[in-house]
Amino acid sequence: EPEVTQTPSHQVTQMGQEVILRCVPISNHLYFYWYRQILGQKVEFLVSFYNNEISEKSEIFDDQFSVERPDGSNFTLKIRSTKLEDSAMYFCASSEVGTDIETQYFGPGTRLLVL
Amino acid sequence: GNSVTQMEGPVTLSEEAFLTINCTYTATGYPSLFWYVQYPGEGLQLLLKATKADDKGSNKGFEATYRKETTSFHLEKGSVQVSDSAVYFCALRYEKLTFGTGTRLTIIP
Repeated sequence: EPEVTQTPSHQVTQMGQEVILRCVPISNHLYFYWYRQILGQKVEFLVSFYNNEISEKSEIFDDQFSVERPDGSNFTLKIRSTKLEDSAMYFCASSEVGTDIETQYFGPGTRLLVL
Repeated sequence: GNSVTQMEGPVTLSEEAFLTINCTYTATGYPSLFWYVQYPGEGLQLLLKATKADDKGSNKGFEATYRKETTSFHLEKGSVQVSDSAVYFCALRYEKLTFGTGTRLTIIP
C-alpha cells in the first residue's frame, strides 16, 4: 500500500540554525500538508499546498517557515532560524483531492529537537 | 473557531473490555469527522471517518457515529486487544483538519 515517507526521523539542531524536513507524498496525490505536535499538546495545522503554491496557512506558519516542492516527488518544510519552541514532531500529509470528505494520509513524522 | 475535545488519557483496560473514548466538537459548518490512530513509533493512520450526520464509520471492530444533535463522535469497541494499544486522535475537517489532544490507550493482557 502506498504511504507517505518522511526524513529524517529525528533531527537535533542548535537554536538559530536552518533545518529542512523532507517528505515524499503518495505519488498520485495533489494536496500536501504539514502539521506539528509539540510534546503533550494537540496536533496543529501549519500549511496546505496545492498546484505549487500555499493554499492555506495557520498563524503559526510565519516568515520563518517555508514550503517547497522542488521536484515531482519531494515536499519540504524549511525553518529558517530555529527557536527552542520549534521543538516538536512534524507530520507531513497528502490527499488526492482537497475536499473535506477526503482522507489525508500521514507520514511517520520527524521529531525535531532545538537546543 | 473549530475545535475538538476528547477524553483525557491515559486509559488502561484489560483485554476484552469494552472501550469508549469520548469526542465532542465545535464547528461553524458541517465538518467531516475522523478518528486517527498512532501506534508506537509510527505515523497517524486513519482508523475511520464519517462525512455527514448519522453516518457510522467502522474499521477493525471500532465504530463511531456522527451525532449532530450532541456534536459528538465517540469511539467504541466491544472487545479490545493488546494490539489496540496506541494513541487515538479525534479530528474534524472543515477546510482544514483540526485535531483533539489524543488519548493514550493501553490494553493489559
